[in-house]
Amino acid sequence: NAGVTQTPKFRILKIGQSMTLQCAQDMNHNYMYWYRQDPGMGLKLIYYSVGAGITDKGEVPNGYNVSRSTTEDFPLRLELAAPSQTSVYFCASSPSPNQGEGPDTQYFGPGTRLTVL
Amino acid sequence: KNQVEQSPQSLIILEGKNCTLQCNYTVSPFSNLRWYKQDTGRGPVSLTIMTFSENTKSNGRYTATLDADTKQSSLHITASQLSDSASYICVVSVYGGSQGNLIFGKGTKLSVKP
Repeated sequence: NAGVTQTPKFRILKIGQSMTLQCAQDMNHNYMYWYRQDPGMGLKLIYYSVGAGITDKGEVPNGYNVSRSTTEDFPLRLELAAPSQTSVYFCASSPSPNQGEGPDTQYFGPGTRLTVL
Repeated sequence: KNQVEQSPQSLIILEGKNCTLQCNYTVSPFSNLRWYKQDTGRGPVSLTIMTFSENTKSNGRYTATLDADTKQSSLHITASQLSDSASYICVVSVYGGSQGNLIFGKGTKLSVKP
């Protein structure tokens, strides 16, 4: 199992540009998440999904969009990048209770370091 | 307001020594508490998960405790190794909340020196 994979690892954007952060998992988890981590701060939830076709906003969704067309993939779209979106972005997945793995543990990807100049 | 506070912010210890990290929370209603280890430049990795009824849980040299009455948890690391250098994050889940209801602490940065 590759677990949770994210691409790219690093990216520099200019203000106003757009990009998509890719996330994929091969554990057949129903739940997937996008977080951002700013220096010295706790992870903040951007969006999450409880299954294909179902997404919901987290704590800090403004400036981002997501889609979940398959169980495996959960891309995060940044429109009109702003310096405030400079951060490290983590994708995570976890099994749902009906997937029989007990209290859900989140499995994180390696992160994407994004700088907006 | 649901919050998770961790202390200390950072800690330096010598290899082989023990240490204890603290987590206080005001999350209600409580579902479970998790400790994650995050190496520099990597994603967090789960160490332990404890529900309301669990007081202690171990994972190798890591032992987590939970006092649901005082809303405190600790992570004890025994016989530290250089590879323990990382940030340790306490995360509390809200009972009955959506999958988005995880409250993250800011983490304790641990440095283990030879």
